[in-house]
Amino acid sequence: NAGVTQTPKFQVLKTGQSMTLQCAQDMNHEYMSWYRQDPGMGLRLIHYSVGAGITDQGEVPNGYNVSRSTTEDFPLRLLSAAPSQTSVYFCASGRLGNTIYFGEGSWLTVV
Amino acid sequence: DQQVKQNSPSLSVQEGRISILNCDYTNSMFDYFLWYKKYPAEGPTFLISISSIKDKNEDGRFTVFLNKSAKHLSLHIVPSQPGDSAVYFCAASLQGAQKLVFGQGTRLTINP
Repeated sequence: NAGVTQTPKFQVLKTGQSMTLQCAQDMNHEYMSWYRQDPGMGLRLIHYSVGAGITDQGEVPNGYNVSRSTTEDFPLRLLSAAPSQTSVYFCASGRLGNTIYFGEGSWLTVV
Repeated sequence: DQQVKQNSPSLSVQEGRISILNCDYTNSMFDYFLWYKKYPAEGPTFLISISSIKDKNEDGRFTVFLNKSAKHLSLHIVPSQPGDSAVYFCAASLQGAQKLVFGQGTRLTINP
């Protein structure tokens, strides 16, 4: 997991609050993505980016926004948190077409 | 509809024996398959992968087998070690090794 840094590690939000999960990588990877993991389910793709200025939706994009102003950073924004967004969030990066590597995760609880 | 399925939530194997983890998929257009290993409170770690043009890939104790006609892949770990105890995720992709679709995971426990 070296090279992909996620902050914060843990966060508790109230319903309706907004926040940003940060993701940074120092490997000059073109591809970055966000996944969420829920109990009994595999990881599901939220949003991804193939380079600075380019983002696209994954399987479960509703309620989340992303931007990619630099190669290194790919923040995930929750504009109005809902209890259904309680989950573990993983950021991943990789060279285009190659294996992706995950960060250590951010645990988010929305009450 | 889940495109990648791991039907065994858990598997228990004795140390030194072979561990076999299974994965089924429904989309015949998937062109790349990967296995990730995950310890509690950590991110998934890449383990091994296989392209759809191959039927076997080996890396040390780990071998992945792909049966395209059955839409099935498996991960063999020989010999199993206590450090192999983790959750294993199967993943598939339509675009190389990215935009992954994951299975639900199988918790492997290696008993001494």
